[in-house]
Amino acid sequence: DAKTTQPTSMDCAEGRAANLPCNHSTISGNEYVYWYRQIHSQGPQYIIHGLKNNETNEMASLIITEDRKSSTLILPHATLRDTAVYYCIVRLNNDMRFGAGTRLTVKP
Amino acid sequence: NAGVTQTPKFQVLKTGQSMTLQCAQDMNHNSMYWYRQDPGMGLRLIYYSASEGTTDKGEVPNGYNVSRLNKREFSLRLESAAPSQTSVYFCASSDQFPGTGLQETQYFGPGTRLLVL
Repeated sequence: DAKTTQPTSMDCAEGRAANLPCNHSTISGNEYVYWYRQIHSQGPQYIIHGLKNNETNEMASLIITEDRKSSTLILPHATLRDTAVYYCIVRLNNDMRFGAGTRLTVKP
Repeated sequence: NAGVTQTPKFQVLKTGQSMTLQCAQDMNHNSMYWYRQDPGMGLRLIYYSASEGTTDKGEVPNGYNVSRLNKREFSLRLESAAPSQTSVYFCASSDQFPGTGLQETQYFGPGTRLLVL
């Protein structure tokens, strides 16, 4: 599976959009981009995934560049409860490799 | 529908002791996984089971054994615990997108916090 690079930490004001970047320059053509988050010490929670096209669900939007070498997770209106570690993962099948992720802090 | 459950929630062991971590899922998923998470780090895959009756090593399998007891249950055993195995252990399950072999999203349990003295 390809390796990902994410900033260590980010801050966001409550109510504003949080844009979390991820670089995956070695991604192969059939690998998906997944985003999970982990709130405090709970088990990771699935957010969204995509292959080539941008995706949106009730939690977030995923923007994947045309060359697929990077992506951005967008939380449109961040709340205090969105404070968590966000993991960007590229995977083909069973072996899902988590990096250190981005610690997002949403501030009042 | 409880999702993925893990027992115990907490455990303290002495070096050399053995124990089994239990995991069960009620979503009828074919695949199950065991991860460990050390402080300040992401999750690392220990073992996974793509389907009932099969198991495969992940990134960090040394010191662990697994058993896929049936479709619902996947246990992780530490035969001789070491302080380096102090960690939080997460179990997860997923299923396949029909016809593709690609795994769907993984659903995680609440974790087992293990301290080895």
